[in-house]
Amino acid sequence: GAGVSQSPRYKVAKRGQDVALRCDPISGHVSLFWYQQALGQGPEFLTYFQNEAQLDKSGLPSDRFFAERPEGSVSTLKIQRTQQEDSAVYLCASSFFPGQGKSEQYFGPGTRLTVT
Amino acid sequence: AQKITQTQPGMFVQEKEAVTLDCTYDTSDPSYGLFWYKQPSSGEMIFLIYQGSYDQQNATEGRYSLNFQKARKSANLVISASQLGDSAMYFCAMRETGRRALTFGSGTRLQVQP
Repeated sequence: GAGVSQSPRYKVAKRGQDVALRCDPISGHVSLFWYQQALGQGPEFLTYFQNEAQLDKSGLPSDRFFAERPEGSVSTLKIQRTQQEDSAVYLCASSFFPGQGKSEQYFGPGTRLTVT
Repeated sequence: AQKITQTQPGMFVQEKEAVTLDCTYDTSDPSYGLFWYKQPSSGEMIFLIYQGSYDQQNATEGRYSLNFQKARKSANLVISASQLGDSAMYFCAMRETGRRALTFGSGTRLQVQP
């Protein structure tokens, strides 16, 4: 398939564990975004990459959240010492252009993280 | 203040009828873009339609059209001839100049009844 893929689709972690969420964007897409979607809410921005450069991380809720995209394609969102409030769906999106004008973002299916 | 407001948590519509989903936004930026996404129960966000703040005409994409009223800061989505497969969450979103990320509203759950 040519869409954005994310893995795992579901993750259950015990409070205090570290987790890593993976995103494979559409091939050739320059921009990559991570969003957090709490139950019953709209997605909220976490961080943005243009190629391998992390240009905006203003939405990361704490220093327990870390994201990388070392080769400008696959990205990993890491959450250290997970807390219950981290339970949410984590959505990855990519776009061809650097996120301006009409360049719509294509979303993956998300990873549902449950912290127990 | 909320940047994107969707005041209808849930909407019902009969199959084959038209439905309007409301969205108002708040920005002081003269240049911005407005988006609508559909999120079925599978979870994936599907892009529907885009309206730029300087676009002269309201956007249309098949059965979707955007009723853009700039002075009122509203960007309502109109779905014509509703189908059962239209049942989903619908999100309005905005991107302001210089900001790559989208700001989303809280969504409207649409249920199409046969």
